[in-house]
Amino acid sequence: QVQLQESGPGLVKPSGTLSLTCAVSGGSISSGNWWSWVRQPPGKGLEWIGEIHHRGSTNYNPSLKSRVTITVDKSKNQFSLKLTSVTAADTAVYYCAHNGYYTIDSWGQGTLVGVPS
Amino acid sequence: QSALTQPASVSGSPGQSIAISCTETSSDVGGYNYVSWYQQYPGKAPKLMIYDVTNRPSGVSTRFSGSKSGNTASLTISGLQAEDEADYYCSSYRSSTLYVFGTGTKVTVL
Repeated sequence: QVQLQESGPGLVKPSGTLSLTCAVSGGSISSGNWWSWVRQPPGKGLEWIGEIHHRGSTNYNPSLKSRVTITVDKSKNQFSLKLTSVTAADTAVYYCAHNGYYTIDSWGQGTLVGVPS
Repeated sequence: QSALTQPASVSGSPGQSIAISCTETSSDVGGYNYVSWYQQYPGKAPKLMIYDVTNRPSGVSTRFSGSKSGNTASLTISGLQAEDEADYYCSSYRSSTLYVFGTGTKVTVL
C-alpha cells in the first residue's frame, strides 16, 4: 500500500492561494487509478475537493471548481493542490489520498492550513 | 451542497451491536453500489472500513459489516469494543460530484 505525505504552508493570507503537495512513496503515481484531495474543517465533516489521474485528467467538486487546480508531477511522484481566493472558511485539515474503485482506500496524515479572518 | 445524513451519535455497551445509518434523499445511494465507510480517531486520518456497500478491506475486523436497503446504507459494528469509539463517515458515489461524504456519526462505547 502506498504512503502519502502532505506538505505546504500552515497559514495562508485571506484572498491568497493555498498550495499543497502530496508525495507518494511505496509505489508509482503512474500505477493507475486516481488521486484525491479531501479536506475537513476543524470539528466538522469531510469534503471531497477533487481528483487527478496520472495522465492529467481531473475532476473537481462543483462547489469548489472555480477555485481549484490539481496537477501531477510524475517525475517527482507527487501531485499538488492549488486553491485560490481563500477565506477563513477554507481553514481545514487537508488530506491527500489514493482512490480505489469508487472509494478512497488510503490517506495521508493530513496537514492543517489556517486562513485568518 | 447536500450531504448524506447520518445520526450525530450512536452509543452502545461493550459486546453489543450497533448500526449507523446513512440516508440520501436522491437516488444516489440507492442507485449505485459504491458506498464506503470510514473510521476516524481524533486527530487522525480516516481509515477505510467498508467499500462497495459490503466489502471489507484486508485487515479490517469481521465485526464491521455493511448493508444497503433503498436509499439507506448502514454500517453495523458487532461485539462493540472500547477501541471502536471513533467518528464514522459514509461516502457515496455521485455522477455530479463523484464523492460525497456523510455528516458523520460519533460512536460512544458506554
